[in-house]
This record gives sequence, C-alpha cells and structure tokens, in this order.
Amino acid sequence: DSGVTQTPKHLITATGQRVTLRCSPRSGDLSVYWYQQSLDQGLQFLIHYYNGEERAKGNILERFSAQQFPDLHSELNLSSLELGDSALYFCASSVASGILGETQYFGPGTRLLVL
Amino acid sequence: AQTVTQSQPEMSVQEAETVTLSCTYDTSESDYYLFWYKQPPSRQMILVIRQEAYKQQNATENRFSVNFQKAAKSFSLKISDSQLGDAAMYFCAYRSGTYGGSQGNLIFGKGTKLSVKP
Repeated sequence: DSGVTQTPKHLITATGQRVTLRCSPRSGDLSVYWYQQSLDQGLQFLIHYYNGEERAKGNILERFSAQQFPDLHSELNLSSLELGDSALYFCASSVASGILGETQYFGPGTRLLVL
Repeated sequence: AQTVTQSQPEMSVQEAETVTLSCTYDTSESDYYLFWYKQPPSRQMILVIRQEAYKQQNATENRFSVNFQKAAKSFSLKISDSQLGDAAMYFCAYRSGTYGGSQGNLIFGKGTKLSVKP
C-alpha cells in the first residue's frame, strides 16, 4: 500500500458525460501528479499540482481539468467524454515540488470505461 | 525532449534464474533521475529501484540491481533469483533534475512484460 488513495476504483459512463476522479496523496506529500495509461498511448503525464498550484501540464486535453484543494487532495475532471478516453488514470504523490528528484508513489488507479 | 525506449516488449525467465531488462534514454540534461516501476496484474505501480545520474555507483535493492551507463544512456534492470511474484510489466522512467525542465513528471518507456516460468 503506497498510502495514495484514489476513488472510485472503476467508473463506467457514456460518451458525452462528465466524471470526476479523486486522489488523496500520502500524508505530508505536497505534490500530486496525474497520469493516463492507455493501450495505444502508454503511460502519459497529464498535469502536476504542488501545494494547490498548477506546476506543469503534459498531454492533457482541453476537455480535462484538475485542481488541488487546501487539504491537498486533488480532483481530475473529464468532460465531453469520448470512447478514446477509456483508460486507467493514476495519481502519484511526492513530498516536494519535483526539483529534488524525490520518488513518486502511485495510487491504485481509477479504471474509466466510456461506452 | 527526453525519450525512454524499452526495446523488449516481452521477456521470459525460469524461476530462480537471472534476467536483465533493457532501457535506453535520450536527454541533453546532465542532472536527472531514473526509475524502474513494476506493474503486476493488479495494475498497481510499484517502485522497484531508483538511480541518481550524479551517482556512479549502481543502485541495488535486494534481488534487483541496475547497470547504469551514463555515457551510453543505458539503464538496465537485473533481477536475480527470479520468483513467480516478479511476473509483471516493468516500466523504465526518466525524470529531469533540472528545475524548470519537465517540472518533475515521469517520462515512461512502453514497458516490458516479464513472465516467470516455474
């Protein structure tokens, strides 16, 4: 158990819908990273938050957004869902902002299926 | 942009034997970190080992060790005394050590699926 929690574990929804994925980092960790794992794209970085502020964006679609709250949990919002958004979404947390090369610990992931 | 390449989509090893998984990367940075993550059928991403580029000594964690060749930009993972529980996807990952670079996110290879035969 990495100490990172993600809810829900599974999500099935229809095209055009909107969903919210939730992540709680390890106690004391200030950074949250979101990654998407799909068969065709592999593991891709989406977005990074540090202590409530957005730090970096990767291959995140405009239909996707995220935020980190004062209690440091984070939510990833996916809207206007398409079949191709079906994937495993991971969040990872680390203690600092990333410049120290600190290890990222991954949550169990949320498996999203868009029908 | 940095890239990570794992040229072996699948590997197989006999239980108790040794296997080496390959990883190469491309970067113009001198300061960075390298990782191996394991993803078993449960899909959980588990850190296996990490290596700081500024360290010449190869990292080891019990049965897992790396062969880090900075000049060749190679970072292979050796698993000794393979066990059935080692069967998983293994991902090599790169992380910039330069502030203002990729801001600390991981860049992953495509993965190597390791099977362990009893």
